Amino acid sequence: GENVEQHPSTLSVQEGDSAVIKCTYSDSASNYFPWYKQELGKRPQLIIDIRSNVGEKKDQRIAVTLNKTAKHFSLHITETQPEDSAVYFCAAQPRGSSASKIIFGSGTRLSIRP
Amino acid sequence: DVKVTQSSRYLVKRTGEKVFLECVQDMDHENMFWYRQDPGLGLRLIYFSYDVKMKEKGDIPEGYSVSREKKERFSLILESASTNQTSMYLCASSLGTSASYEQYFGPGTRLTVT
Repeated sequence: GENVEQHPSTLSVQEGDSAVIKCTYSDSASNYFPWYKQELGKRPQLIIDIRSNVGEKKDQRIAVTLNKTAKHFSLHITETQPEDSAVYFCAAQPRGSSASKIIFGSGTRLSIRP
Repeated sequence: DVKVTQSSRYLVKRTGEKVFLECVQDMDHENMFWYRQDPGLGLRLIYFSYDVKMKEKGDIPEGYSVSREKKERFSLILESASTNQTSMYLCASSLGTSASYEQYFGPGTRLTVT
């Protein structure tokens, strides 16, 4: 089955700098890759996603890139702000999975230093 | 706005007790999911359901069962609670079509088994 690995597990960056979180997946047929953000004490929420027919997607300060050949995808946050502090989860959806289930990575705790 | 609610935010049970965690969604979503969240392990799928009375095992179903008698409600059952089931439990729902695979999460239930 699908396996998603996420690195690093913790990341601390200076406010205003960029942050990059990387994930790899094992099932080459996976076709949907969402990223969820979970602020302290709150529920995870989708922040951006990418499908396998697209190499890059941007939404203001966040972007996701996908390299299908290497089976890895990354989240890029530019001009980081204190409100970016959270745990970020990458995920992958295997093609043909029933109920559109997704497999999550282990999470990255991002801290923004003032 | 999608609303996913869970019956309890905090629950304390004794070893061997039968425990019911309930989840309700109000958006007529086909798919519902139960995850447990543990530090460093991300979100691990316990069970999911793609229709009323339909269910499938996720990655860690041992010690759990589920029930979906109505479309809006998905229950997680711990037949005989054990201390290693102390965790945060998150429910989610999704439309699950190519239009949207986004999962909407409930606030979570922190279960402690003593």
